[in-house]
Amino acid sequence: EVQLVQSGAEVKKPGESLKISCQGSGFSFTSYWVGWVRQMPGKGLEWMGIIYPGDSDTRYSPSFQGQVTISADKSISTAHLQWSSLKASDTAMYYCARHKGFGDGYAPFDLWGRGTLVTVSS
Amino acid sequence: ENVLTQSPGTLSLSPGERATLSCRASQGVSSSYLAWYQQKPGQAPRLLIYGASSRATGIPDRFSGSGSGTDFTLTISRLEPEDFAVYYCQQYGSSPFTFGPGTKVDIK
Repeated sequence: EVQLVQSGAEVKKPGESLKISCQGSGFSFTSYWVGWVRQMPGKGLEWMGIIYPGDSDTRYSPSFQGQVTISADKSISTAHLQWSSLKASDTAMYYCARHKGFGDGYAPFDLWGRGTLVTVSS
Repeated sequence: ENVLTQSPGTLSLSPGERATLSCRASQGVSSSYLAWYQQKPGQAPRLLIYGASSRATGIPDRFSGSGSGTDFTLTISRLEPEDFAVYYCQQYGSSPFTFGPGTKVDIK
């Protein structure tokens, strides 16, 4: 089955670090761009950035550049989103999603994970 | 950054009615790289339309997209009960690939 499986919900304190994951299966993970989308509680979708696992080429939204790191480990078909120091305002659902189209860097997301809920609270 | 606006914010309609949703971009969208997504509560978004007018796999033909340049439209010809949801447009012609704020279609 073609799918993206995300890691489980996290509860963290401000200032802590965190790395969440998104594992692809049923398709050639290294040949599709994979991205991350934030959805704060009750709000809309925000495009954070994308990575091409084949060569780790990465593009960030200016809104998230320097705030998070997107990486990929192609040996285990997994993309990661990480924070070095969380803030309460990072509380949100984070979705990973795959670009439609083999190797296409300009494409919509046609396959989505179920999301990882990150809660940051003291 | 290409900023997308969507109107109306909320659309209250009855099943069987026609829904027309608008998405406007602050800059022209390259190659009509405009997509529409549907999101229901507690679920991930689902791709409906890409390339402004192409339906994604498995999407019923009551969903159609049109437009070019800066103005795009999603039309649902006859609303089914399962169509009441939030709809987002996204441009993927220039990075960052921004989303619009969404239009909620709810039951009148």
